[in-house]
Amino acid sequence: AQTVTQSQPEMSVQEAETVTLSCTYDTSESDYYLFWYKQPPSRQMILVIRQEAYKQQNATENRFSVNFQKAAKSFSLKISDSQLGDAAMYFCAYRSRSNTGKLIFGQGTTLQVKP
Amino acid sequence: NAGVTQTPKFQVLKTGQSMTLQCAQDMNHNSMYWYRQDPGMGLRLIYYSASEGTTDKGEVPNGYNVSRLNKREFSLRLESAAPSQTSVYFCASSEWGRVGAFFGQGTRLTVV
Repeated sequence: AQTVTQSQPEMSVQEAETVTLSCTYDTSESDYYLFWYKQPPSRQMILVIRQEAYKQQNATENRFSVNFQKAAKSFSLKISDSQLGDAAMYFCAYRSRSNTGKLIFGQGTTLQVKP
Repeated sequence: NAGVTQTPKFQVLKTGQSMTLQCAQDMNHNSMYWYRQDPGMGLRLIYYSASEGTTDKGEVPNGYNVSRLNKREFSLRLESAAPSQTSVYFCASSEWGRVGAFFGQGTRLTVV
């Protein structure tokens, strides 16, 4: 069975600085997807970025980028130029390539952004 | 542009009471899911429906039942609520061959 681990329950960053959130996962599959979801206080789950395991290039979405290390089973999220609106809980998630689409989530990391 | 709609948003139940959480999506997705979110544990899959007419257990199915009423709707039922079912519940949907799930706003359920 696959597992996802986020070892940082809480992180903080100064506004305009850069922060990296860590995620490791365990799987015996070779083809899968990885995601970062943001959950602000509104409780809404927002997809931030996704990575396909067969792609070597790291995904980037504006100020958000990932460092995908397939051999190490590591998938970190880097937030550049942090903004107050980035304050939220962030979840790392794994999905097999099968059609069921089930997501396996990590425990979450709460990010605080200091003005 | 509703996406995934869950009702209710908040609910307080007494131990032993029953209730049904409703979920509907307007994106014509085949797959739908119910997750629960507990502090320090992320989201865990309760049940899912890969396509209309099918349902399967997830990681934490005990104490729940589901119904895939049609392609749009997927309900979660608690037959006899227990305090351990106090949680935030999320419904989600996704499409075959596409990546990423869309989530509803969540239901905060408290069982006293």
